Amino acid sequence: DSGVTQTPKHLITATGQRVTLRCSPRSGDLSVYWYQQSLDQGLQFLIHYYNGEERAKGNILERFSAQQFPDLHSELNLSSLELGDSALYFCASSVEAGTSTDTQYFGPGTRLTVL
Amino acid sequence: AQKITQTQPGMFVQEKEAVTLDCTYDTSDQSYGLFWYKQPSSGEMIFLIYQGSYDEQNATEGRYSLNFQKARKSANLVISASQLGDSAMYFCAMREGRYDASGSARQLTFGSGTQLTVLP
Repeated sequence: DSGVTQTPKHLITATGQRVTLRCSPRSGDLSVYWYQQSLDQGLQFLIHYYNGEERAKGNILERFSAQQFPDLHSELNLSSLELGDSALYFCASSVEAGTSTDTQYFGPGTRLTVL
Repeated sequence: AQKITQTQPGMFVQEKEAVTLDCTYDTSDQSYGLFWYKQPSSGEMIFLIYQGSYDEQNATEGRYSLNFQKARKSANLVISASQLGDSAMYFCAMREGRYDASGSARQLTFGSGTQLTVLP
């Protein structure tokens, strides 16, 4: 158990809908990262927050947004869902903001299926 | 150019034998970190081992060791005494420096993974 929690574990929804994925980082970690893992794209970095502030954006679609709250939990919002958004969404956390030594610990993931 | 290359899409190893999973990387930074993660069929990503670019000794964590050859830019994972539970996808990843030119925090870059199957 990495100490990172993600809810829900599975999510099935229809095209055009909106969903929210939730992540709680390990105790003491200030950084939260979101990743998308699909069969054809591999593991893609979406966005990084450190202590409530956005620190980096990756391949995140405009239909997706995220935030990190004062208690450091984070939510990833996916809207106008398309079939291609079906994937495993990971949250990871780390202590620091972005040093090369900073280890990221991953949550169990949320498996999103868009029908 | 690919920053992390894992050239073995699939590997097989006999139980109790050692196996090496290859990883090469590309960076011009002097400061970087290399990481290996394991993803079993259940889906979670499990951190295994870390090697810093300035570390003079190869990292070890239990049955996992990292064969770090800086001049060759390789960071191969060695699993000793393989167990059936080691069957999983293994990802090599790198994180460079601290910030990029735009001031954004550097992120982990992952390889495409190696699917390891341990045979009984």
